[in-house]
Amino acid sequence: SAVISQKPSRDICQRGTSLTIQCQVDSQVTMMFWYRQQPGQSLTLIATANQGSEATYESGFVIDKFPISRPNLTFSTLTVSNMSPEDSSIYLCSVDPTLPRAFFGQGTRLTVV
Amino acid sequence: KQEVTQIPAALSVPEGENLVLNCSFTDSAIYNLQWFRQDPGKGLTSLLLIQSSQREQTSGRLNASLDKSSGRSTLYIAASQPGDSATYLCAVGGSQGNLIFGKGTKLSVKP
Repeated sequence: SAVISQKPSRDICQRGTSLTIQCQVDSQVTMMFWYRQQPGQSLTLIATANQGSEATYESGFVIDKFPISRPNLTFSTLTVSNMSPEDSSIYLCSVDPTLPRAFFGQGTRLTVV
Repeated sequence: KQEVTQIPAALSVPEGENLVLNCSFTDSAIYNLQWFRQDPGKGLTSLLLIQSSQREQTSGRLNASLDKSSGRSTLYIAASQPGDSATYLCAVGGSQGNLIFGKGTKLSVKP
């Protein structure tokens, strides 16, 4: 299993600013994933982050808006840049599903005003 | 493009009832299928994982089945309890590790 700590758990931000979300895992993992859950919607994969390489973004998500860092095998950050109210969502990180189950952090509830 | 649908969107039952949650997916070429539980402020908890070669998995009062050919999975909860109240998510997994989620079924079990 894996224990994932995600910070902050929630935040209220002004439009036009940026927020960086941190995800710390208690063991080394190859792949980390960032998801977004908009109100009333299902989780959508934003990008996959592998250590030592650029993140791979899903259709509809771009690096300028959601830059991701993966400096080592236990840590990753997702930045939500130049925020607008449409970015209000829950953001979750997840680790390598070959563990074998997918493990998720508790999520970051972001409200943009 | 894979799409995952869950029915019903919400369900309210009295304590002790057995219930079934449904999940369907459009592309049968899946790597695995997982059922998650989502509690407010607590992220997601994986309940059951079914590999593409398997037909079902059981854990305690939970049983999940998978029929790849028909693109369906069911989660059976026996003798429901108020503590089972949560949103249940179905997700299909691809070979790259990505998960595609349904919108979930919000379950409420009344004492």
